[in-house]
Amino acid sequence: EPEVTQTPSHQVTQMGQEVILRCVPISNHLYFYWYRQILGQKVEFLVSFYNNEISEKSEIFDDQFSVERPDGSNFTLKIRSTKLEDSAMYFCASSGRRKFFGPGTRLTVL
Amino acid sequence: GQQVMQIPQYQHVQEGEDFTTYCNSSTTLSNIQWYKQRPGGHPVFLIQLVKSGEVKKQKRLTFQFGEAKKNSSLHITATQTTDVGTYFCAANNYGQNFVFGPGTRLSVLP
Repeated sequence: EPEVTQTPSHQVTQMGQEVILRCVPISNHLYFYWYRQILGQKVEFLVSFYNNEISEKSEIFDDQFSVERPDGSNFTLKIRSTKLEDSAMYFCASSGRRKFFGPGTRLTVL
Repeated sequence: GQQVMQIPQYQHVQEGEDFTTYCNSSTTLSNIQWYKQRPGGHPVFLIQLVKSGEVKKQKRLTFQFGEAKKNSSLHITATQTTDVGTYFCAANNYGQNFVFGPGTRLSVLP
């Protein structure tokens, strides 16, 4: 079965630092997403991306967040100045007929 | 904004018993998706329901979309230990943003 991959699996950073989370979506998918899940809580939508631009974003996705598709395969989420409350599991997903989630990156902000 | 609720929050069943989780939205939906997340894992897409009153089956799993397209249910017949995990519904209202419910955590005792 095709899969979405994410790197790193775990990222530890100091508050105020920038982090970039990387994702490789499934190759023939056109829609890409970032979600986050704070430990023990529900999955929260951050942003969707289609045709090289953001198609929808949530209230969580403020100016500290940005997404990019720097080449034909990678899809990145950048957090410019991390806060303690950014600590969460970040999932990338891509969809064709169905949505596939990646294994996630656990971000810990100290 | 749109609110998605799920009940129960937790369910403990004996292996072989049935299990049902209910999902309710504050607004009429265009479609709804169901996901399963194993402990420590990522959400895995189970199904999407689109039509009013739709019922879909996957082996021991039965999914239903309400006539008013504001609620949905997932029923598992004769649970097995492999069914353990959190079941999330994700509600869509004609956009790319799927609002996830808080999930129902299922424990199956052997």
